[in-house]
Amino acid sequence: EIVMTQSPATLSVSPGERATLSCRASQRISNSLAWYQQKPGQAPRLLIYAASTRATGIPARFSGSGSGTEFTLTISSLQSEDVAVYYCQQFNTWLTFGGGTKVEIK
Amino acid sequence: EVPLVQSGAEVKKPGESLKISCKVSGYNFINYWIGWVRQKPGKGLEWMGLIYPGDSDARYSPSFQGQVTMSADKSISTAYLQWSSLKASDTGIYYCTRLLGFITSGDNGFDMWGQGTMVTVSS
Repeated sequence: EIVMTQSPATLSVSPGERATLSCRASQRISNSLAWYQQKPGQAPRLLIYAASTRATGIPARFSGSGSGTEFTLTISSLQSEDVAVYYCQQFNTWLTFGGGTKVEIK
Repeated sequence: EVPLVQSGAEVKKPGESLKISCKVSGYNFINYWIGWVRQKPGKGLEWMGLIYPGDSDARYSPSFQGQVTMSADKSISTAYLQWSSLKASDTGIYYCTRLLGFITSGDNGFDMWGQGTMVTVSS
């Protein structure tokens, strides 16, 4: 089983600042990675797939990068509505989620 | 129109059976894999399995193989997740979701989600 490790567990960022979230795979997964945003009391929402492709309707301040085992989700200018837990998920071998990163406003 | 609408919350006792549903509208049900994802209270997301409604081909996560059964009824565009004997550890929110691409594609994601079904198992 491919294990996905996200860091940090919690990230505090000031409004308008950049937020950088990391996701590491225990094996190489090419670019078979998606990112999701889950706000309290809501279902997750797809942000990024294929490591760097924004899903339909996702604002340009969200971007994804990486390949192999190291991946990054960047929120270029954090807005209050971006407070959420963010999950990565690999699609290379079966499907596994990372443990999540909670983003909060500093 | 909400594409994936799930059945309502359930409260069950250990050992009871349960079947929850996910009604699809707005796209061709048989052409996309449906996934199920569990979220225990205050915890992260766990992928349970996938089913292709076109032929009911089902793939289970090793962690959930033998614990649940996925099915689909093409005639009413509805997917199901069922348990034959619930345990307290099955308590959580269960989401149905649509897989964006073909199952073997790495360019993938779950692009549509149901609102979730809360299942509580307690004596």
